[in-house]
Amino acid sequence: EAGVTQFPSHSVIEKGQTVTLRCDPISGHDNLYWYRRVMGKEIKFLLHFVKESKQDESGMPNNRFLAERTGGTYSTLKVQPAELEDSGVYFCASSLLDPNEKLFFGSGTQLSVL
Amino acid sequence: ILNVEQSPQSLHVQEGDSTNFTCSFPSSNFYALHWYRWETAKSPEALFVMTLNGDEKKKGRISATLNTKEGYSYLYIKGSQPEDSATYLCAFRGYGGSQGNLIFGKGTKLSVKP
Repeated sequence: EAGVTQFPSHSVIEKGQTVTLRCDPISGHDNLYWYRRVMGKEIKFLLHFVKESKQDESGMPNNRFLAERTGGTYSTLKVQPAELEDSGVYFCASSLLDPNEKLFFGSGTQLSVL
Repeated sequence: ILNVEQSPQSLHVQEGDSTNFTCSFPSSNFYALHWYRWETAKSPEALFVMTLNGDEKKKGRISATLNTKEGYSYLYIKGSQPEDSATYLCAFRGYGGSQGNLIFGKGTKLSVKP
């Protein structure tokens, strides 16, 4: 069974540009989450989709970040315009709906904003 | 502000040594405690999801205990092997937060020398 896949694995962009990250969850997982890890710090929650609906977006840093999950399958996270402080590793994870289910993570997208 | 603290920050042991590390989390409003194993450039991999005070879980040579009243969890590795080298992350979920709204610690980085 395929795991959670993220694309691209690395992205280097200049300040002010736009970047779109993609996440394909495990088939059948209604829950999809985005997280971010800034170098040297802990992984931080960004938002949670249940199917195509945003369940919790309390961790989104500001309105330069836009997440979508059209059709309840894959998700995209767009940063526009990117700032230097947006650099970090962006992880996606998915899980079944049972609240005690473990999360399955992708290997992340390393975003560098220069 | 809710904090999850992990100690030690890093640990170097010899192959065959047994080791343990600590995760401290808020003792109020507890819902679940997750443990993940993360090798650099790979996906964080779920080890345990623990919900009950006094719970003890085991997966091969790795086990974990949970004390929700005092707000800590221990992760034990018996007879460490070089392939156990990774960063071990714990994550706290409180009541009221959505399923993936986890608060992560910074992790304990374990290095096992042959």
